[in-house]
Parts: sequence; C-alpha cells; structure tokens
Amino acid sequence: SQQGEEDPQALSIQEGENATMNCSYKTSINNLQWYRQNSGRGLVHLILIRSNEREKHSGRLRVTLDTSKKSSSLLITASRAADTASYFCATGTNTGNQFYFGTGTSLTVIP
Amino acid sequence: DTAVSQTPKYLVTQMGNDKSIKCEQNLGHDTMYWYKQDSKKFLKIMFSYNNKELIINETVPNRFSPKSPDKAHLNLHINSLELGDSAVYFCASSAQLAGVYNEQFFGPGTRLTVL
Repeated sequence: SQQGEEDPQALSIQEGENATMNCSYKTSINNLQWYRQNSGRGLVHLILIRSNEREKHSGRLRVTLDTSKKSSSLLITASRAADTASYFCATGTNTGNQFYFGTGTSLTVIP
Repeated sequence: DTAVSQTPKYLVTQMGNDKSIKCEQNLGHDTMYWYKQDSKKFLKIMFSYNNKELIINETVPNRFSPKSPDKAHLNLHINSLELGDSAVYFCASSAQLAGVYNEQFFGPGTRLTVL
C-alpha cells in the first residue's frame, strides 16, 4: 500500500502545550503534505515539504522530513483549542498525479 | 466565493439506485480528484483526472465512474448502490507546476447513506 500512516491515532493535550504527530510512508515521494480536517468538514492544506527539503515552518507549524527513514513529523507549538481536529499526511509520488493519505491523527486540545 | 463546491451535501438513497454527485472548482486548476472517506476516517483516492488522462484506483468498483464535462467540473456517478458505498465523498482539485502536483483544495464533502 502506498498510503501514509500517522502516529499516534489520537492525541489529547492541554492548551499551550506542543503537539507532535508522525507520518510514515513506504514509497519514494516527490513531496509530502499535511492537512487538517475539522469535524464534518473538508480537508484544509497546511504545509507542503518537498523531497529535497528537511524542515519547513509556517506560523506555529514545523514540519520535518527524513526521506531515509520515510517519515515526517508535524509539530504544532503553543496549541489552542481551535487546533482540535484530525491531521493527515499525504504523499505525492514521482509518477502520476495521485496522493495517498493516512488515517489521520485525532488531536484534542483541552482549554 | 467557494473554491471547490459539491452537491448535494447529504444524499440518502436505497440500495440498487443510481446516483450522481457534482463537483465544481473555480480555481482554474487542471486536475480534479475524488476521494472516499469511510467511518474510520481513512481517506482513499478513487480517481484523479486532468484534461489528458484519467487515473483510476484499481480497487474502485466499475460501478463508480467519473464524468468531466469541462475542466471545472468532475462529477461522480455511482450505479447499483450498495450498503458499503455509504461514506463521505470528497472532491478536490490541484494545479500542476513543472510536472509536480501541489496542494489540493477540498470540497466540503457529500455524505452518502445507502439504506
């Protein structure tokens, strides 16, 4: 299977703490993307990291990519209650225009 | 202005019926997708389509067929609906730059319930 796998499946933290989610994948990729899905809504793109990049920042988000380990992590710093959502990684391959999503990490930030 | 829109938002139907879900994007993207999200939140790609090619996930039953009247629309037609088709279906679109497909913009989803 080409899908990514997020870890942990569920994460519950206090507001203000940092949240770290991991993603592992199996095939060679061109890029890896993280998305957020609020309950009952569509996915929203957060950040894209290319295969030749190792780290990327966007606001309170920090993404790392280790292509040798076929893994990525998403760090959300100073979490807020509004960050409560499911977070998915998606891998874009070198051939074709298809993306493969994992099952997501369900993050709950307790106010 | 909604970037990617889907209709209907909810669809309840009987087993055996044929139904369609419509998707439109106003982003000028050249590639559109259909995904199925099951009750465990697993998001599986069903199709990707641009004006050059249709890529079908081999696990998708041939009861599912995408239809694209133009670049801005990719509809999903489902024949002979089965109970297992119950899920949330998402449409998405993206732009291709230098052969690389970038971030996807998702529609709000269509919750299909087959009785």
